[in-house]
Amino acid sequence: SQQGEEDPQALSIQEGENATMNCSYKTSINNLQWYRQNSGRGLVHLILIRSNEREKHSGRLRVTLDTSKKSSSLLITASRAADTASYFCATDAYRDDKIIFGKGTRLHILP
Amino acid sequence: GEEVAQTPKHLVRGEGQKAKLYCAPIKGHSYVFWYQQVLKNEFKFLISFQNENVFDETGMPKERFSAKCLPNSPCSLEIQATKLEDSAVYFCASSQLVREGGYTFGSGTRLTVV
Repeated sequence: SQQGEEDPQALSIQEGENATMNCSYKTSINNLQWYRQNSGRGLVHLILIRSNEREKHSGRLRVTLDTSKKSSSLLITASRAADTASYFCATDAYRDDKIIFGKGTRLHILP
Repeated sequence: GEEVAQTPKHLVRGEGQKAKLYCAPIKGHSYVFWYQQVLKNEFKFLISFQNENVFDETGMPKERFSAKCLPNSPCSLEIQATKLEDSAVYFCASSQLVREGGYTFGSGTRLTVV
């Protein structure tokens, strides 16, 4: 069954602006991951945040996790054309041995 | 660099024909996962392996889908008697650990059933 739900489904912003995507999930988790998928390609792992962490940074990416609300956000700062892609959150549910993906947010960076 | 290699990239089968997809995981990765993505939407988990052993097969349609990971061979996902709804991109991923790290995905095999 689906675990993560991304919001919004699609997002268009101007190059240089910040992009924020949200993910909500249903059950207790060990960790939450964000992946990027460029058109016609496989998923690229971006960042993993553990259930005991609240915030994590990697370059222009900032991920937050609120386990009380069962939600996470991915912030991409100073967006670039190359950031155009679909972004998926994936949760590693507690006592489960696989990660389950949400439906993704399609991000389009306008020149 | 190291990558998960999936072959073929594209596969077209007539309804009722067999389809076989291959995945070579990264050396040293113990876990292999297969996911199905329909219409660029969510990724549906199919099956995972720990080395040659099935680890979790809760996502596999039992009747027509089978998968193997044999020593010294690429892993394979086989669909007997394909149906139109099997049209999708099938992704393989490998990982050293099942819970602690990110997965490395291949570029996928696009299966079109006509």
